[in-house]
Amino acid sequence: GALVYQYPRRTICKSGTSMRMECQAVGFQATSVAWYRQSPQKTFELIALSTVNSAIKYEQNFTQEKFPISHPNLSFSSMTVLNAYLEDRGLYLCGARDRQGAGTEVFFGKGTRLTVV
Amino acid sequence: GDSVTQTEGLVTVTEGLPVMLNCTYQTAYSDVAFFWYVQYLNEAPKLLLRSSTDNKRTEHQGFHATLHKSSSSFHLQKSSVQLSDSALYYCALRSSGSWQLIFGSGTQLTVMP
Repeated sequence: GALVYQYPRRTICKSGTSMRMECQAVGFQATSVAWYRQSPQKTFELIALSTVNSAIKYEQNFTQEKFPISHPNLSFSSMTVLNAYLEDRGLYLCGARDRQGAGTEVFFGKGTRLTVV
Repeated sequence: GDSVTQTEGLVTVTEGLPVMLNCTYQTAYSDVAFFWYVQYLNEAPKLLLRSSTDNKRTEHQGFHATLHKSSSSFHLQKSSVQLSDSALYYCALRSSGSWQLIFGSGTQLTVMP
């Protein structure tokens, strides 16, 4: 079956430092990968969409300078949170799918929970 | 832009009774798919149901939902809830024009014994 692994599952970083999280697709080709943040008391915020061989599209309030993303092949993507501060804490989810079409299922990883101290 | 509305933030139901979680939406696209995700504590969201066909009932794990384009709704229902159904439920849509998933604000379902 199709699975998405994310690691680390949990991480704690000091305010002002950076941390990198990874997303691995198994059993399918992750043509497109989306990174979301689920902040405390909030629903999912889309950070950016990444499609292999296309430019990464960032949503409003999120920038490449703050959340650089790498999507080098059809099974792997990573995102770094640069200069993390308290407002960056939350659960970061990676969602991937392998083809176009509105009904195509997106497979989510279990998330990386970021705590900033 | 597209939006999904879940009016209830918290729903509490006694075990064995029915439940309905509301979901309405706005979209400018005609080719749109709708999803219900369930998220248990400290877990990632998992797909529960999906549909893109008007007036067709979709079922999984005892839950069912029917897309009604006439009322822009995709309510989630279950005839007899179990304690293990306690979780956060998200309604979402995605159009073929953009594969971005638009989530509602979520409904916390708590099932009481």
